[in-house]
Amino acid sequence: ETGVTQTPRHLVMGMTNKKSLKCEQHLGHNAMYWYKQSAKKPLELMFVYNFKEQTENNSVPSRFSPECPNSSHLFLHLHTLQPEDSALYLCASSQDTGQVAEQYFGPGTRLTVT
Amino acid sequence: AQSVAQPEDQVNVAEGNPLTVKCTYSVSGNPYLFWYVQYPNRGLQFLLKYITGDNLVKGSYGFEAEFNKSQTSFHLKKPSALVSDSALYFCAVRDIRSGNTPLVFGKGTRLSVIA
Repeated sequence: ETGVTQTPRHLVMGMTNKKSLKCEQHLGHNAMYWYKQSAKKPLELMFVYNFKEQTENNSVPSRFSPECPNSSHLFLHLHTLQPEDSALYLCASSQDTGQVAEQYFGPGTRLTVT
Repeated sequence: AQSVAQPEDQVNVAEGNPLTVKCTYSVSGNPYLFWYVQYPNRGLQFLLKYITGDNLVKGSYGFEAEFNKSQTSFHLKKPSALVSDSALYFCAVRDIRSGNTPLVFGKGTRLSVIA
């Protein structure tokens, strides 16, 4: 349960605000991910980092800016968001980005954009 | 392209009865298949995966899933449901031939176990 932590758990922000989401993994993994979870839609992969290098950007708008200073920490910087960006943002990690590696998820940040 | 379908948004089952949560997939090659569960206010938790070998895979909390290549399915099952199994269940797939492309998740199926 505490392998992947995310802060804050809840965030309400206006469209002109700048905020950051933080993720930390204590599993010794090398790969980290950001996902967006909206109601009744499949999980949307946003970004993938492997050994601190971004390996996947799934056509995410530039108002979302990831940062991975080391293999244990991942940030998602938010600015000028839209109401449709309201969702649960999940961070995950895995040993590597290999095909059979299962991912371990944090509890998510519930974001509301007003 | 790879895709996964969970045809049921909601499954209701009485406590003690067997449960099945359905998943079908589409890949050009052979699949790696995963099931995850999401309890309220939590992230997804890994349940089990099929890589190769025995078509019946056993996972956490008494769950199992059966890989059926001819039907392109990977249904999740449990012989006797518990109220605590009530959660959101996600199936995911990756094509063996896709290199390191990311997992593709289904939309999820909400399981309600009624006492």
